Amino acid sequence: DGGITQSPKYLFRKEGQNVTLSCEQNLNHDAMYWYRQDPGQGLRLIYYSQIVNDFQKGDIAEGYSVSREKKESFPLTVTSAQKNPTAFYLCASRPGGTDTQYFGPGTRLTVL
Amino acid sequence: GENVEQHPSTLSVQEGDSAVIKCTYSDSASNYFPWYKQELGKRPQLIIDIRSNVGEKKDQRIAVTLNKTAKHFSLHITETQPEDSAVYFCAASIGTANSKLTFGKGITLSVRP
Repeated sequence: DGGITQSPKYLFRKEGQNVTLSCEQNLNHDAMYWYRQDPGQGLRLIYYSQIVNDFQKGDIAEGYSVSREKKESFPLTVTSAQKNPTAFYLCASRPGGTDTQYFGPGTRLTVL
Repeated sequence: GENVEQHPSTLSVQEGDSAVIKCTYSDSASNYFPWYKQELGKRPQLIIDIRSNVGEKKDQRIAVTLNKTAKHFSLHITETQPEDSAVYFCAASIGTANSKLTFGKGITLSVRP
């Protein structure tokens, strides 16, 4: 777990602004994931990427975008199209050939 | 798609007692079932997982059982301690071919000293 980092820990933004959340891993994991966590809602998948330069929409992709230009990095952009962006965002990664996902420490985004 | 449900949403037990948390899933093709523990403000941590070719798995005070026919799996914690207090999430996926986890909404376990 220590090899997955997310920054910043807390993020505030004004309505109408795009914001990018960082996720980096030095574990040489193939797959990376972004989840959103709201109270009482569990973890919901936003986007995931199995290999570099490829990614798929999850269950709640609207208003979000991602890129996977490097194996170790999977940034998430929360756009102004996301109507209710205030949440706790978790990044995870998974080694190739396994099912286990390991989570980063999370970024708490608040829209003011 | 897969649907994972956890009930109830909260569970309170006395220290030293056992706790059982149950999850149900909808997709019979699911074959990987992890359990995560999340303390307040922290990241989810994997505590145990099970695959569909195994009926039970134990790790010290923690065990997971799987009933494929009924499509449910349960987390068993024995000799509970205050530090077991946390939110527990179950999840399911269709193995490495997909490896897209679907999570339940979580259950808050409180262990009373």
